[in-house]
Amino acid sequence: EAGVAQSPRYKIIEKRQSVAFWCNPISGHATLYWYQQILGQGPKLLIQFQNNGVVDDSQLPKDRFSAERLKGVDSTLKIQPAKLEDSAVYLCASSLSNSNYGYTFGSGTRLTVV
Amino acid sequence: LAKTTQPISMDSYEGQEVNITCSHNNIATNDYITWYQQFPSQGPRFIIQGYKTKVTNEVASLFIPADRKSSTLSLPRVSLSDTAVYYCLVGYGYGQNFVFGPGTRLSVLP
Repeated sequence: EAGVAQSPRYKIIEKRQSVAFWCNPISGHATLYWYQQILGQGPKLLIQFQNNGVVDDSQLPKDRFSAERLKGVDSTLKIQPAKLEDSAVYLCASSLSNSNYGYTFGSGTRLTVV
Repeated sequence: LAKTTQPISMDSYEGQEVNITCSHNNIATNDYITWYQQFPSQGPRFIIQGYKTKVTNEVASLFIPADRKSSTLSLPRVSLSDTAVYYCLVGYGYGQNFVFGPGTRLSVLP
């Protein structure tokens, strides 16, 4: 089966600019996650969708981050305006609903804010 | 949320068996134990998941004692390509219930 697709693979922007990341989950996976992984740390969950509804966004910095999942399939994560500390890899993952058998992650988008 | 503790790093040689132990003293009754592997520039990859006793698949085994306060990921006969970061997660359901710690950086030497 096709994996989780993410784009772009890399992005370099200046602080205060905006950026958007795209994710296409595995077909049939109702649950979609966005994680932020800072160099040397484990991934941190930013937001979780169940179909097109938000289940958990408690760790999403809502003053600058936003995410949507229209039609319950693809998702976009946006940062506006970006700060230096947003430099990280942004990972998208998907899973079957109510799955205890792990998520499938994409390869991520490496964001560098200069 | 159950907090996990794992060694920061481990070294091994090709062909050896590697055991990575994770401590999770406050694991809850419904919590599962899940291990992920992450290579540089890639997202984490699911390795194995278990609830109790022993689970084995084509790449690893997971040993969980009766009190479930720890678990051990066993990688048989590692190769250079097993060099990666390994994460132990404990939780139930999905999302916020599973927290990634810093992981264990395994280096396999020739």
